Amino acid sequence: AQSVTQLDSQVPVFEEAPVELRCNYSSSVSVYLFWYVQYPNQGLQLLLKYLSGSTLVESINGFEAEFNKSQTSFHLRKPSVHISDTAEYFCAVRVRYGGSQGNLIFGKGTKLSVKP
Amino acid sequence: DAGVTQSPTHLIKTRGQQVTLRCSPKSGHDTVSWYQQALGQGPQFIFQYYEEEERQRGNFPDRFSGHQFPNYSSELNVNALLLGDSALYLCASSLFWGRGTEEETQYFGPGTRLLVL
Repeated sequence: AQSVTQLDSQVPVFEEAPVELRCNYSSSVSVYLFWYVQYPNQGLQLLLKYLSGSTLVESINGFEAEFNKSQTSFHLRKPSVHISDTAEYFCAVRVRYGGSQGNLIFGKGTKLSVKP
Repeated sequence: DAGVTQSPTHLIKTRGQQVTLRCSPKSGHDTVSWYQQALGQGPQFIFQYYEEEERQRGNFPDRFSGHQFPNYSSELNVNALLLGDSALYLCASSLFWGRGTEEETQYFGPGTRLLVL
């Protein structure tokens, strides 16, 4: 069975500091990897994803994540955070099937709090 | 292009009652998945619908049932509500046969917050 571990439940940082949110997964098969962001009292928004190809993926707002197969990790990074990045971030995996769907398995989330 | 929409946004019910939540998928998507997010937790998969059939199911009791309509919209029904059913219910849509492309990515709606008293 697949599982996702987000190692930090809360990460406080100062504005313009770098941040890394850690995500490790366990799976005996190939997976797709996702980061979703949830702002207070809202649904989930897709931040970035790894489906195939380059192991380094980027979002439009400066976040990046690198798929590391040997470490089974997909850590999320941003070199300089803004107050508006304050939110909860969820890492998720989905098993690669031969063209069919599978459900997302989520970690418990990491609350990023950016202080001025 | 409308994204995933859900209704209602909030709902208050009492124990033992029944509730129906609704979801309209993103334009072009044919698959709807439902998730339950309890307070302070990550979303948990309930079930997935494609071609009006339940294709996958998570570890949820039979009190949780669903339906998908020919226009791909979906309903989640919960019978005999328990206090523990209080949660944010999220609907996600995608394309079933996306072959690993962008279309297989699940996009979420804003959710329905259910409170059971």
